[in-house]
Amino acid sequence: QQQVKQSPQSLIVQKGGIPIINCAYENTAFDYFPWYQQFPGKGPALLIAIRPDVSEKKEGRFTISFNKSAKQFSLHIMDSQPGDSATYFCAASRDGSQGNLIFGKGTKLSVKP
Amino acid sequence: DAGVTQSPTHLIKTRGQQVTLRCSPKSGHDTVSWYQQALGQGPQFIFQYYEEEERQRGNFPDRFSGHQFPNYSSELNVNALLLGDSALYLCASSLAGQSNEKLFFGSGTQLSVL
Repeated sequence: QQQVKQSPQSLIVQKGGIPIINCAYENTAFDYFPWYQQFPGKGPALLIAIRPDVSEKKEGRFTISFNKSAKQFSLHIMDSQPGDSATYFCAASRDGSQGNLIFGKGTKLSVKP
Repeated sequence: DAGVTQSPTHLIKTRGQQVTLRCSPKSGHDTVSWYQQALGQGPQFIFQYYEEEERQRGNFPDRFSGHQFPNYSSELNVNALLLGDSALYLCASSLAGQSNEKLFFGSGTQLSVL
């Protein structure tokens, strides 16, 4: 049973475009929803995260939109750059499960110059 | 300040062998979590060590075991390797009681089982 479903599997955009990656979760006990960025040969690095008490969070060019009733959240990358080309993972965890994240399967993003 | 360090970076083993992977947590961290990331998949939680004991465990067989040392470093052991154990093994560290926003990953050990 996949608890966090991520789409699309891959995404190609032009420089300056706004890629959007979507995730849906099943467990209503989840209360922490991060997005990670992973480059080849590297471990995942936290990009931005949100908790269910807010519907949107912005950090620089990255925005998370959160819909608690639909159990969905998404990542938007404004003014995307070739350096943003990487694999992005959404994840979820519940309070008390420190270090135990449930990851989506990832989205490979390519930003063309 | 060194981040999470893992060794070795790459490893090739034969089916049926045993392997040990090592992790040193970020300075100041005392909790280590291990993840398996198969090709094209997201990381999957294996287990977590704190105070030299396994505190949480994911859905992995007993062939996967671990250890934490007094200096907080950790080992992941996999016995009777299967072809399906080929993956990137990630270590993540944190400080007990802090939120997952303070979870840091290493670059991983790429294990190939032939």
